[in-house]
Amino acid sequence: TAGITQAPTSQILAAGRSMTLRCTQDMRHNAMYWYRQDLGLGLRLIHYSNTAGTTGKGEVPDGYSVSRANTDDFPLTLASAVPSQTSVYFCASSDSWTGASNTGELFFGEGSRLTVL
Amino acid sequence: AQSVTQPDIHITVSEGASLELRCNYSYGATPYLFWYVQSPGQGLQLLLKYFSGDTLVQGIKGFEAEFKRSQSSFNLRKPSVHWSDAAEYFCAVGTGQAGTALIFGKGTTLSVSS
Repeated sequence: TAGITQAPTSQILAAGRSMTLRCTQDMRHNAMYWYRQDLGLGLRLIHYSNTAGTTGKGEVPDGYSVSRANTDDFPLTLASAVPSQTSVYFCASSDSWTGASNTGELFFGEGSRLTVL
Repeated sequence: AQSVTQPDIHITVSEGASLELRCNYSYGATPYLFWYVQSPGQGLQLLLKYFSGDTLVQGIKGFEAEFKRSQSSFNLRKPSVHWSDAAEYFCAVGTGQAGTALIFGKGTTLSVSS
C-alpha cells in the first residue's frame, strides 16, 4: 500500500523562484494537511483541506498556497521562495467522516526537504 | 485552542533502562491523544493513540502511554529501551471533530547509550 506519496524528496531552490510540492494519497481520505518541520519547533500546520474543493489556513500559511481539485491530490505552492521557507515539509491525510472508529489519526508521507538559497 | 507541551527536548537513556517521555496538553473537552515516532530522515509513524476507554493504552514496539485527566498528561513509557528506539518522539492532541488537524508538541529526541 503506497499511502501518501510526496515529491520531490529533496530540492534546492533559488530565492524568488516558485516551487510546487506534490502530494498524492490512495486511501480515499477526505482530509489532507501540510505541515512544516523545523528544528526545535516541531510540526506546524500550514494549510489543510477537509474535502475536495475546500481549503483552510493553518498556523503558518503566509507564503504558501494550496489547492484541492480532487480527493487524492493536495499540492503546496511557494510562489516566491524565501530562505525562511527552508524546511522539511510533510503531507498528511485522515479520514474525516464522523464515526466511532475515526479517531483523527494522521497518516504521513516521507517528507520533502526544501532548501532555499 | 488546544496545545501540547513536551518539557524535555533531549533525553539520553542507557540501553535496557526504562523510559518515560512527558507530554502535557491543554484542551477543554476530552482530547484525542497520539504519540508518533520519527526515525532520522523518515516520516512519522503512529505509536499509539487514546480517545476513550481504558486510560492505559498499548502501542507498537512495546510502548505504552497513560492518560491522566487530572494532570492533563499523556506520558509515554517503555520498560526496556533498545538502541533502535533512538528517534524523535512527538505527542499530539486532536479534538476528535471530523477533519480537524492535530496539534503537535515540539518533540523529544531520544538517544540510547550502550
